[in-house]
Amino acid sequence: EAQVTQNPRYLITVTGKKLTVTCSQNMNHEYMSWYRQDPGLGLRQIYYSMNVEVTDKGDVPEGYKVSRKEKRNFPLILESPSPNQTSLYFCASSRGDSYEQYFGPGTRLTVT
Amino acid sequence: EDKVVQSPLSLVVHEGDTVTLNCSYEVTNFRSLLWYKQEKKAPTFLFMLTSSGIEKKSGRLSSILDKKELFSILNITATQTGDSAIYLCAASDRGSTLGRLYFGRGTQLTVWP
Repeated sequence: EAQVTQNPRYLITVTGKKLTVTCSQNMNHEYMSWYRQDPGLGLRQIYYSMNVEVTDKGDVPEGYKVSRKEKRNFPLILESPSPNQTSLYFCASSRGDSYEQYFGPGTRLTVT
Repeated sequence: EDKVVQSPLSLVVHEGDTVTLNCSYEVTNFRSLLWYKQEKKAPTFLFMLTSSGIEKKSGRLSSILDKKELFSILNITATQTGDSAIYLCAASDRGSTLGRLYFGRGTQLTVWP
């Protein structure tokens, strides 16, 4: 089944404790992207990747890191999480010649 | 500053009504406008528009882009309770693929039976 998977789905952590949210797609998509969604703010793009080893900043990259070493994986790293990074995070992917993004199920992160 | 503004932010209608959702944008190097529907989970893709004046249609939903006035509308005719969702629009800076995406805050549509 074609899908984008994220892990974990729910995470409660403490300020400053490094964490990684994994994202994997099985559709051989070139484009992958991370978003955060906060009430009343819509989706905001954190980072995106056009292909392996190619990443670019989105709207709100501060406090986040990404890497794209393999085509299928695009992990989101929070080196030192803070409470203002409490949010719902979505990973998405699409073919390089398409606008149709497939979203993962979301990761709800709480930083206390 | 690049931005996308959606209006209204919230809309409540009765089944059978027709609604128009608005999306205006100011994005450097604008190339395309996308619409998504988000129910209780992840967004799903509705439309992509790159050319002015050409309507895209899918069932009761349709959308059009005006690149001169920098806006797009999403129309939903004969609304149903299943249309209740957040509708998001996004502007892309790429012409043939996705790149940097600028999202609006969304319109929360509620359709009462």
